[in-house]
Amino acid sequence: GQNIDQPTEMTATEGAIVQINCTYQTSGFNGLFWYQQHAGEAPTFLSYNVLDGLEEKGRFSSFLSRSKGYSYLLLKELQMKDSASYLCAVRDSNYQLIWGAGTKLIIKP
Amino acid sequence: GAVVSQHPSWVICKSGTSVKIECRSLDFQATTMFWYRQFPKQSLMLMATSNEGSKATYEQGVEKDKFLINHASLTLSTLTVTSAHPEDSSFYICSAHSGTSGFDYEQYFGPGTRLTVT
Repeated sequence: GQNIDQPTEMTATEGAIVQINCTYQTSGFNGLFWYQQHAGEAPTFLSYNVLDGLEEKGRFSSFLSRSKGYSYLLLKELQMKDSASYLCAVRDSNYQLIWGAGTKLIIKP
Repeated sequence: GAVVSQHPSWVICKSGTSVKIECRSLDFQATTMFWYRQFPKQSLMLMATSNEGSKATYEQGVEKDKFLINHASLTLSTLTVTSAHPEDSSFYICSAHSGTSGFDYEQYFGPGTRLTVT
């Protein structure tokens, strides 16, 4: 079966750095996505990785290792507004998105 | 960036009635639209994939006769929840991409519709 694993919840301090991990086992691979979702709202796109390595976009970076079936989302200089759920999703060989359950990130002052 | 709208943003209906939710791509043509359901504190669950002009493909366990999907144009898809029950209360989200072969990598999400069935 297809599976996406990420921690259920993480807590970090304002101004700090946090890394949210995602491991996957899917039927084929056509890219990995990270989305941010605030409570009661729809997900918003953060990043996309299809090749190994690090993609940096402002305070957010995403890393992919296809051989390990592993990705992480790195958030720097955390702000209170970063409190949200972070969803990892992998597009499989049928171009269907397989979603992780999401990681709820709690930022404390 | 590409914008997807949903209407209504929230709706309350009585058990046994039907509710229609619209999903529109405002500034691009969406060859494929996706309908998701999300229960509190749970991840997105794909319900169905619809391609313009053809029948929707439903995920296992999703009743096609209960959740009617119509993708009549490249900018509009509708989800009708028929004979709604309280257990259908959920957050329904649509998304769309414009790629014809799936290479357009980003799905654009609508703001979601919160359905409450009393």
